[in-house]
Amino acid sequence: NAGVTQTPKFQVLKTGQSMTLQCAQDMNHNSMYWYRQDPGMGLRLIYYSASEGTTDKGEVPNGYNVSRLNKREFSLRLESAAPSQTSVYFCASSVIRGLRWPQHFGDGTRLSIL
Amino acid sequence: AQTVTQSQPEMSVQEAETVTLSCTYDTSENNYYLFWYKQPPSRQMILVIRQEAYKQQNATENRFSVNFQKAAKSFSLKISDSQLGDTAMYFCALSPPTQGGSEKLVFGKGTKLTVNP
Repeated sequence: NAGVTQTPKFQVLKTGQSMTLQCAQDMNHNSMYWYRQDPGMGLRLIYYSASEGTTDKGEVPNGYNVSRLNKREFSLRLESAAPSQTSVYFCASSVIRGLRWPQHFGDGTRLSIL
Repeated sequence: AQTVTQSQPEMSVQEAETVTLSCTYDTSENNYYLFWYKQPPSRQMILVIRQEAYKQQNATENRFSVNFQKAAKSFSLKISDSQLGDTAMYFCALSPPTQGGSEKLVFGKGTKLTVNP
């Protein structure tokens, strides 16, 4: 069982370059999320998608765009990367609406912007 | 606004002993969920335990249990018989109800737990 798969696992970019982080889940979950994790900051929500065809901003959306391509896939795009976006990015998914369903996380993408 | 506070940046415990990690939160909602996630050096986020706010009984999962004090907005994690594999970052998270149905987890900053042999 793959669960939530993120690609790539590591990436180094130069300031101003663009990049798309890919996320796919095979658990037939409706909701998907993108977080970033910075040292000493815990995880912060960037964007989420409650269901296929919908996306909403989270706590720190500036500098990012997302696409819910279909039920399985939810991508995160950096149009013009900045050093402040150096972080570890996590994708997560959850079954359906309802508080009882926990989020399942991918293994993360470590992104460095020089 | 929803907030989660973990006041212990780092803790250590001897193998086979018991350790308690603290978490306090703030929310104006009455119905919500609380979670503890574990992040080992492999970086994967693993769900440890969850608690429904409307349930008074504390959740348990094998060696892991919580002390949920709703009035005090406190949600501590107790790890019994600590094992070397418990060494990890532990994150407390709050899932408040949201309009539209998509649950947004609010995380604390984490507690780094080291289990010593």
